[in-house]
Amino acid sequence: RKEVEQDPGPFNVPEGATVAFNCTYSNSASQSFFWYRQDCRKEPKLLMSVYSSGNEDGRFTAQLNRASQYISLLIRDSKLSDSATYLCVVNPNSGYSTLTFGKGTMLLVSP
Amino acid sequence: DGGITQSPKYLFRKEGQNVTLSCEQNLNHDAMYWYRQDPGQGLRLIYYSQIVNDFQKGDIAEGYSVSREKKESFPLTVTSAQKNPTAFYLCASSTPGQGAKPQHFGDGTRLSIL
Repeated sequence: RKEVEQDPGPFNVPEGATVAFNCTYSNSASQSFFWYRQDCRKEPKLLMSVYSSGNEDGRFTAQLNRASQYISLLIRDSKLSDSATYLCVVNPNSGYSTLTFGKGTMLLVSP
Repeated sequence: DGGITQSPKYLFRKEGQNVTLSCEQNLNHDAMYWYRQDPGQGLRLIYYSQIVNDFQKGDIAEGYSVSREKKESFPLTVTSAQKNPTAFYLCASSTPGQGAKPQHFGDGTRLSIL
């Protein structure tokens, strides 16, 4: 099983749609979880951290299921500017600061 | 305005040549990282440093070298031993502490072979 696995997509959705991305991770000892967004040919940028109780930031909601080793990102009311690749990121070892990145899920929002 | 600066933005390497990629940060972060990204692939960790004068190999360190003489700077040298250097190189930094903190990235260097 790969360390961090994501559906590569692309997910094609119209503006205003709700879209959900899933991510699974292999190391049950993982402690920290993040979603990053990466625009074409640009650097990744932190979108949000993912907390055990789930958290929301505007149109974005992140959920964590430790029992199933599963993380999700929900985007409501999609905008054209949401078109990007969304990276699921996991810290596999709580004692160190290294992160493991998924390959990303591409989202294309059309008018 | 705090941030991470990578230079150059584009770099070309000749056969047998070593090249050095610069990464400077003014965020006062202790930890710094180098990643490589190939098309359609995830980021892979090359080297990281959690404190000045100390660094560790990541998953794909062969053919690369680093130094960390100053807190602000973490240059990466791509040596001639790296046979497939063409990629997008990203430098990142983070604050120290128990567990992982979010990493902040520079805008990258694209390296190609001539």
